[in-house]
Amino acid sequence: KNEVEQSPQNLTAQEGEFITINCSYSVGISALHWLQQHPGGGIVSLFMLSSGKKKHGRLIATINIQEKHSSLHITASHPRDSAVYICAVLNSGGGADGLTFGKGTHLIIQP
Amino acid sequence: NAGVTQTPKFQVLKTGQSMTLQCAQDMNHNSMYWYRQDPGMGLRLIYYSASEGTTDKGEVPNGYNVSRLNKREFSLRLESAAPSQTSVYFCASRMTALSYEQYFGPGTRLTVT
Repeated sequence: KNEVEQSPQNLTAQEGEFITINCSYSVGISALHWLQQHPGGGIVSLFMLSSGKKKHGRLIATINIQEKHSSLHITASHPRDSAVYICAVLNSGGGADGLTFGKGTHLIIQP
Repeated sequence: NAGVTQTPKFQVLKTGQSMTLQCAQDMNHNSMYWYRQDPGMGLRLIYYSASEGTTDKGEVPNGYNVSRLNKREFSLRLESAAPSQTSVYFCASRMTALSYEQYFGPGTRLTVT
């Protein structure tokens, strides 16, 4: 079973700061998801990564397959970025198996 | 497209009661999933269906049954609800062969008293 660890668990920052959330996993994967969940809200997919780096607006996600590590960066953070960010992995083989999730990082951006 | 829909949004049950959570997707996805989310824990897989007519147990299947009624619909049944099943339940779907990305429904918040 893959173990997915996220750090930090909680993060409070000031508006405008550069944010980094880390995710490590224990065994080989086919792909890694970064997800966003607002309080009381649903789960939205931000990125699906198999290698390298992806960028959407102020969000950047990177993955290092050899080191079994991924990071999610937020540039010029804004209070509306406050949410729980969840890392999830799809085990190698790419079958129909479900995702294995980290416990999430609770991010608060203060004005 | 509505994406992945779930009903109901909220439900309160008494211990021992039964209910079915409904999930439907209109993206022609092959695979569908049921997860539960509990405070302090990551989401955990209950059951999944790789394709119409097949279902498989996930990490925490005890106390649940599922039905893949057709390609669109995947329901989760609690036959005799227990307080330990108080949770938020999410349905998700994936194309499988063409994409690794999963799409999530809005969730069902279930309380068992």
